[in-house]
Amino acid sequence: ESVLTQSPGTLSLSPGERATLSCRASQSVSGSYIAWYQQKHGQAPRLLIYGASSRATGIPDRFSGSGSGTDFTLTITRLEPEDFAVYYCQQYSSSWRTFGQGTKVEIK
Amino acid sequence: EVQLVQSGAEVKKPGESLKISCKGSGYSFTTYWIGWVRQMPGKGLEWMGVIYPGDSDTTYSPSFQGQVTISADKSISTAYLQWNSLKASDSAMYYCARHISGVHRGAADYWGQGTLVSVSS
Repeated sequence: ESVLTQSPGTLSLSPGERATLSCRASQSVSGSYIAWYQQKHGQAPRLLIYGASSRATGIPDRFSGSGSGTDFTLTITRLEPEDFAVYYCQQYSSSWRTFGQGTKVEIK
Repeated sequence: EVQLVQSGAEVKKPGESLKISCKGSGYSFTTYWIGWVRQMPGKGLEWMGVIYPGDSDTTYSPSFQGQVTISADKSISTAYLQWNSLKASDSAMYYCARHISGVHRGAADYWGQGTLVSVSS
C-alpha cells in the first residue's frame, strides 16, 4: 500500500500568488495514477486533476498537475478567492486507493 | 445531469445496525464504479471501498474490510453502505462518489452530498 505524504500542511498565501502543493508516495505510483481534489468547508470534494496532469471537466487552467514516480505537484498559478480550501492527492495504482492527509491553502 | 443523492443524516446508538444509500441518476448506473469515502470530524478523506453495480464486484480497503458492507441494487440505481454493529468511532461524514470510466477509474468525478452518521449512547 502506497502511503501519500502531502506538504506543506498549511500554505498561507495572498490572492494572485502562486501555490505549489507537493504529494510524495512511499512507492512508485504506476501509470501516474494520481488525482487531486479540492474540498471547501462543509462541501463534498471536487475532482481537479486525474492521471497526474489531466484537468477534470470544467476545471480552470490555472490548476495544473505534474510529476511521476513518487513525486507529484499541484500548481495553482494565480490564486483566486474561491481557491482557498483543502487539497488532497489520491493514488489509484493499487486495488485500494489511498489519500494524502491534505494541504490547507489559507489566506495570508 | 449526473447526480448522486445520499440518504439523510442518522443518529444511532452503539451496537445498532445501519444502511445508508446513494442514488445515481443522469448516467448509466451499471457501467461506472461507485466508491465510499469516510471523513471523520475535522479530519481527512479515507477511501473505504468500491463496487461495480453491473456485477456487484467489490473491493474494500484493508482498514474497512469486515467492518462494513458495500452493495448495490442496479434495478433502482442505488448503492449502499452498511454496518451490522455501529461503534462511536463510526461517527463521521460518509460520501459516495462515481468513478471515471476507463483506465483512470480510480478517480471520482461526481460526489454525493454526504451522509452524516452520529453514534452515541
